[in-house]
Amino acid sequence: ILNVEQSPQSLHVQEGDSTNFTCSFPSSNFYALHWYRWETAKSPEALFVMTLNGDEKKKGRISATLNTKEGYSYLYIKGSQPEDSATYLCAFGNAGNMLTFGGGTRLMVKP
Amino acid sequence: GAVVSQHPSWVICKSGTSVKIECRSLDFQATTMFWYRQFPKQSLMLMATSNEGSKATYEQGVEKDKFLINHASLTLSTLTVTSAHPEDSSFYICSARDSRGRSSYEQYFGPGTRLTVT
Repeated sequence: ILNVEQSPQSLHVQEGDSTNFTCSFPSSNFYALHWYRWETAKSPEALFVMTLNGDEKKKGRISATLNTKEGYSYLYIKGSQPEDSATYLCAFGNAGNMLTFGGGTRLMVKP
Repeated sequence: GAVVSQHPSWVICKSGTSVKIECRSLDFQATTMFWYRQFPKQSLMLMATSNEGSKATYEQGVEKDKFLINHASLTLSTLTVTSAHPEDSSFYICSARDSRGRSSYEQYFGPGTRLTVT
């Protein structure tokens, strides 16, 4: 059974704060690491798919890094806004494209 | 693009009845769709992989006779929870992979279906 863990489970920040959270995953047989953003009552939205050790990806104020050798990825949000409030999920993808999800980090940004 | 819909979004049914949940890819074709379940305060757990025109592949511990999956077309997969019981109450969500391979890695998710069995 693959163990994908995210921390923290939840996070409250003030508008304008920068924040980051962690996803840890098995370092062996790595194929892909996915980040999703999931707002209540909506579909999870794909943020990044990362495949190479040392990968850094950016989308607006959100960026992510990947370390496959030690089995972790960080997601950063610069200058958090209330609309960033959501649950952020990471998932370890295997060669068959099956995803094993972490428990998510629930981010709440206060105006 | 890459929109996946699910229907219904919320369903309440009586114990012993069967419930069908539909997952549709609206603007792309998907030879492979995935079904996940999420219990309260837990991760999304993969239940099965649905392959167009062939039998679904179920994860360990998921009863194939209880959770019937049909993927009869390139845009539709259905999950039928047969003889539902209260312990089947959960959030069911599907995802689809674009067959034309915008990215072989990406999966696009539906909004999910909340099932409550009374």
